Parts: sequence; structure tokens; C-alpha cells
Amino acid sequence: EIVLTQSPATLSLSPGERATLSCRASQSVSRSLAWYQQIPGQAPRLLIYDASNRATGIPARFSGSGSGTDFTLTISSLEPEDFAIYYCQQRTNWPPSFTFGRGTKLEIK
Amino acid sequence: EVQLVDSGGGLVQPGRSLRLSCAASGFTFDDYAMHWVRQAPGKGLEWVSGINWNSGSISYADSVKGRFTISRDNAKNSLYLQMNSLRAEDTALYYCVKDRGSSGWFSGYFEYWGQGTLVTVSS
Repeated sequence: EIVLTQSPATLSLSPGERATLSCRASQSVSRSLAWYQQIPGQAPRLLIYDASNRATGIPARFSGSGSGTDFTLTISSLEPEDFAIYYCQQRTNWPPSFTFGRGTKLEIK
Repeated sequence: EVQLVDSGGGLVQPGRSLRLSCAASGFTFDDYAMHWVRQAPGKGLEWVSGINWNSGSISYADSVKGRFTISRDNAKNSLYLQMNSLRAEDTALYYCVKDRGSSGWFSGYFEYWGQGTLVTVSS
């Protein structure tokens, strides 16, 4: 099973700052990686798929990069509503298997 | 507007069964694979099971294989999860999730989520 390791566990920043979140896979997943945002008490929201494609309705300040084993989610200028937990997720299509990282909590400094 | 309404959760004793349901609307249900994803209280996300458009491809996480059964009824725009031999570690909020790909097969990305239904396994 592919393990995803997210870092840091907690990131403390101020509105307007740039956020950089990391996700590392235990083996290559090519570009088959997604990012989700979860605000406490709400369901997760898909932000990025295939490593760098923004999902429908996602603001341009969110961007994803990487391939193979190392991936990054960047939020260019933090808005108050961006403080949440972020998960990365990989897909293995055969046999179908999908795993998540343990999350990075982005909190207000 | 895509809507996924999860139901069927509750308090159940270890070893008993429970059936979750998800009513889908706002999209052509049989064009998409569907999944169940769970989240234990205060914990992260765990994919549980997925089913393609015609039920021809079904997959489970190792943690539930042999105990849980996913199914769908395209005529009723509904997704189900039959959970047997429940354990304390199955306690979680269970989300019904629409796959992103429109081919009916797994894209492996989770585009729309229901509000979740809470399953608590305890004596």
C-alpha cells in the first residue's frame, strides 16, 4: 500500500502570506494525486486533481505541483476562509485503491 | 446542483449490522462511479469502498473487506453500504462521494461529498 506523508503537521501563518504544503508518497504515483480542503464540521472539498489541475470553482490562488513522489500545494495569498485542514490523496486504478495523507492543519498565526 | 444525502447511521452494538443509504440528485447518476469514505472522530479520511456505474467493478479497503458490501440502484439514484460484523473501529462519519470521472469508471478523485452519516459501534 502506498503511504502518503504530509508535512508539516501544523502550519501557522497570517492572512496574506504564502502557504506551502508538502505531500510525499512512499513510491511513485506519477501525477495521480489530489488535494482536498476540510473546514471543521464540513465535508471535504476537492481542490486539485492530477497534481496540478484545479477543480471546478477553485480560486486561482490554489495551485499544485509535483510528480513521482513529491508534491506541493501552494496558496499564494491566504484568505481568512483558507484556514482549514488539507489532505493529499493518491489513486491506484488497478486494483482500485485510494489512500489519503494524515493532513496538514493550516492555522492562523 | 449535485446533492448527496446520506442516511442510515446510528448506534449499534459490536457484531451487529447496519445499512447506509445515499440519495443522489442533480446529475446523471449512472454516468458516475460512487464511493464511501469515512472519518473517525477527530481523525483523517479513509476510503472504504467504490463501485463503478454498472456495478461491474467493486473495490474495498482491506479494513472492511469481507464485512461490508457496496451496491447501487441506478433506477432509484441510490448508493448503499451494507455493514456486517461491525467493530468499534468502524465508528466514523460515513460520506457518500461522487467520483469525478464521467466515464462511469473510477477516476479515483472525489468530487462531491454528502454531509455524512454517523455510525457509532459501542455496547
